[in-house]
Amino acid sequence: DSGVTQTPKHLITATGQRVTLRCSPRSGDLSVYWYQQSLDQGLQFLIQYYNGEERAKGNILERFSAQQFPDLHSELNLSSLELGDSALYFCASSVEGQGRTGELFFGEGSRLTVL
Amino acid sequence: LAKTTQPISMDSYEGQEVNITCSHNNIATNDYITWYQQFPSQGPRFIIQGYKTKVTNEVASLFIPADRKSSTLSLPRVSLSDTAVYYCLVGDMKAGTALIFGKGTTLSVSS
Repeated sequence: DSGVTQTPKHLITATGQRVTLRCSPRSGDLSVYWYQQSLDQGLQFLIQYYNGEERAKGNILERFSAQQFPDLHSELNLSSLELGDSALYFCASSVEGQGRTGELFFGEGSRLTVL
Repeated sequence: LAKTTQPISMDSYEGQEVNITCSHNNIATNDYITWYQQFPSQGPRFIIQGYKTKVTNEVASLFIPADRKSSTLSLPRVSLSDTAVYYCLVGDMKAGTALIFGKGTTLSVSS
């Protein structure tokens, strides 16, 4: 158990719909990261938040948005869903101190299926 | 960002030592090398991290030559449960460059 909690674990929805994925980081971790993993694209970095502010941005679509709340939990919003958005969405957290080292702690993921 | 190159797949047998090499020719001075392990439908799990020379922990060793243009993850005496995808990441957590996963190496361990 990494200490990172993601909900829901599974989600099935239809094209055009909107969903929200939730992530609670490990206690004390200030940074939250979102990744998308599909069969053909591998593990893709989407976005990072640090203490409520966006820190780094990866291959996140404009239809997707995220935020980190004052209690440090994060939500990833996916809208106008397409079949290709079906994937495992992982959240990770890290302490993100002042150093250049550190490790990411991943949750168990949210599996999204778009029909 | 330092680009990494790993073998796509490797096969081994139980009890053998497995060495997975990662090439990162344009590694920057502030970059660290980190390895993760991922099982199907699970999030990646941190294995080991290093900057230069050799790092060892309870599950693996990481060998980094002086020029740091490559690194080798060594798994001693693998078992069936070590069958997984192994990713090499090169970057700087502070700068946010240590976040990119490549395609990884799929290790298959047989009995």
